[in-house]
Amino acid sequence: DAGITQSPRYKITETGRQVTLMCHQTWSHSYMFWYRQDLGHGLRLIYYSAAADITDKGEVPDGYVVSRSKTENFPLTLESATRSQTSVYFCASSERNTEAFFGQGTRLTVV
Amino acid sequence: QKEVEQNSGPLSVPEGAIASLNCTYSDRGSQSFFWYRQYSGKSPELIMFIYSNGDKEDGRFTAQLNKASQYVSLLIRDSQPSDSATYLCAVNGGDSSYKLIFGSGTRLLVRP
Repeated sequence: DAGITQSPRYKITETGRQVTLMCHQTWSHSYMFWYRQDLGHGLRLIYYSAAADITDKGEVPDGYVVSRSKTENFPLTLESATRSQTSVYFCASSERNTEAFFGQGTRLTVV
Repeated sequence: QKEVEQNSGPLSVPEGAIASLNCTYSDRGSQSFFWYRQYSGKSPELIMFIYSNGDKEDGRFTAQLNKASQYVSLLIRDSQPSDSATYLCAVNGGDSSYKLIFGSGTRLLVRP
């Protein structure tokens, strides 16, 4: 199916564990973004990417790692999960200066 | 200072009224401006985008951009209860950056 998909949709993990959230898009968009959404904070940019092997830190990158070996995939890894990383995570893709399309979101709970 | 600022609301308007949502941004090099609507538990979806100074109309929605004042707004005419949602302003980072930064959103409530 065309579009942008995130997996898993829901995840519960323990403090200190490594967690990877997946994002896959079928449009061949150059730009991809990871956001977290918490009550009162809107969408905060974690990392973004302009192309394969090009990534940049956003507003809140600490504790997260990204990679982009292929244009269509942009996984986000929490190296050692903390309770403060409990959030809803959204992946998005776009071309430059155009509409960003969002995945369904991943609700992550760190216990 | 946040790069994109919005009043969190809630903004409450009666059905049929005009709702006015405002957003300011800090990067003068910003080139693209977007308004997204987000219903509770859902992903953001695009309502309007605007690149040039002035007004842009699409149905009941009008986006207004003033680059000199670093200000962008969204007007919703004939507001409906189904317009009740959080409205997110987003700004592209400009020539030196391709990042897309969002404000914290304004919650709109349309009273029947």
